[in-house]
Amino acid sequence: EVQLVESGGGLVKPGGSLRLSCVASGFTFSHYTINWVRQAPGKGLEWVSSITGASTYKYYADSVKGRFTISRDNAKNSLYLQMNSLRADDTAVYYCARDQGWGSGDYWGQGTLVTVSS
Amino acid sequence: QSVLTQPPSVSAAPGQKVTISCSGSSSNIADNYVSWYQQLPGTAPKLLIFDNNKRPSGIPDRFSGSKSGTSATLGITGLQTGDEADYYCGTWDNSLSGVVFGGGTKLSVL
Repeated sequence: EVQLVESGGGLVKPGGSLRLSCVASGFTFSHYTINWVRQAPGKGLEWVSSITGASTYKYYADSVKGRFTISRDNAKNSLYLQMNSLRADDTAVYYCARDQGWGSGDYWGQGTLVTVSS
Repeated sequence: QSVLTQPPSVSAAPGQKVTISCSGSSSNIADNYVSWYQQLPGTAPKLLIFDNNKRPSGIPDRFSGSKSGTSATLGITGLQTGDEADYYCGTWDNSLSGVVFGGGTKLSVL
């Protein structure tokens, strides 16, 4: 069974940092691009970042470029999102999703809530 | 302001059919495959349609997808109260080098 489990969310002050993790199981992790997608309270889905299977390519939304860094450790079946210089508008539930092609997320984690507030 | 445009809400009676549109451009929908997601309250999005019109295993054939030019459409027939959810379209955007989503459509089954 394919599973993705996020962790690392919490309350952080503006300007602070947080590192999210996503642990995958049930499939060959290194074969897939993985996406981070976030959803602010009461809002729609917003793509954040993607990383290809061998970490060859990394993509970022303009809203997080230069502040967030995506990485993965295929030996640990794990995906990470290092978030620096956090702002109030980064407050959201962050999901990791397996990309089956063309940005299509076929399996999603349950999400982890990040709250940026003083 | 989302890159893909969806109607904020649609509604129909149980048993009826509804369609949800998703409008994009030459850099996204016209050139790439479209996916559709269903998000029930308090849950993660669930893939309903991929590659414009394919259904993952377990998704009933009441759900269908189509694409023409820079627009895509999700169709749902035989509406059930359990279909009340938010629906999102998504695809890759070649100009932005990233995934783009529609703003979401809230379906009410009255």
